[in-house]
Amino acid sequence: SQTIHQWPATLVQPVGSPLSLECTVEGTSNPNLYWYRQAAGRGLQLLFYSVGIGQISSEVPQNLSASRPQDRQFILSSKKLLLSDSGFYLCAWSVGGLYNEQFFGPGTRLTVL
Amino acid sequence: AQKVTQAQTEISVVEKEDVTLDCVYETRDTTYYLFWYKQPPSGELVFLIRRNSFDEQNEISGRYSWNFQKSTSSFNFTITASQVVDSAVYFCALKAAGGGNKLTFGTGTQLKVEL
Repeated sequence: SQTIHQWPATLVQPVGSPLSLECTVEGTSNPNLYWYRQAAGRGLQLLFYSVGIGQISSEVPQNLSASRPQDRQFILSSKKLLLSDSGFYLCAWSVGGLYNEQFFGPGTRLTVL
Repeated sequence: AQKVTQAQTEISVVEKEDVTLDCVYETRDTTYYLFWYKQPPSGELVFLIRRNSFDEQNEISGRYSWNFQKSTSSFNFTITASQVVDSAVYFCALKAAGGGNKLTFGTGTQLKVEL
């Protein structure tokens, strides 16, 4: 069966510090991978998605970047965090057609102070 | 443009009551998919159901049922005989060709089931 991992689970970082969040998927090949952010108030915003190694699409301009160095690894990064980067970050995967359901990881709660 | 509206921000019910969560969507595409996800307090989104625009059959899964009506652009979710474990935020979402690869989410409905 497929599983998705995210770490760390929680993170407190000072403004201006770098960020690296990791997401890995097991039990499947060639998944589509996604990064979402959920700010206070529950709205889910798609940040990045990837349909293959090295292929990243950005949905909104922001202080973050994403990379996919391996087939089942998706990394969210920032060189300098802003207060507005605080939130709950969710990684998701899907396979097959782009209309297939996405399955989400446990999330990382990031607080920037 | 695509849009999903969940007008109910928060619903409180007593255990064993039935509850319906509303979802209204907007899209110009004729082919699209609708989803429901559950987000318990732990935070992880749990996939519940996917429906495509060509299948208007209602679906029942245990205490859960879904009513898809294209005429009113609605995809409502009913929980029968609610339980405390049903307490969560529920999201309706839409995916269509016109929206690229985006899964457009509603703002969610917080369901609180009390004893």
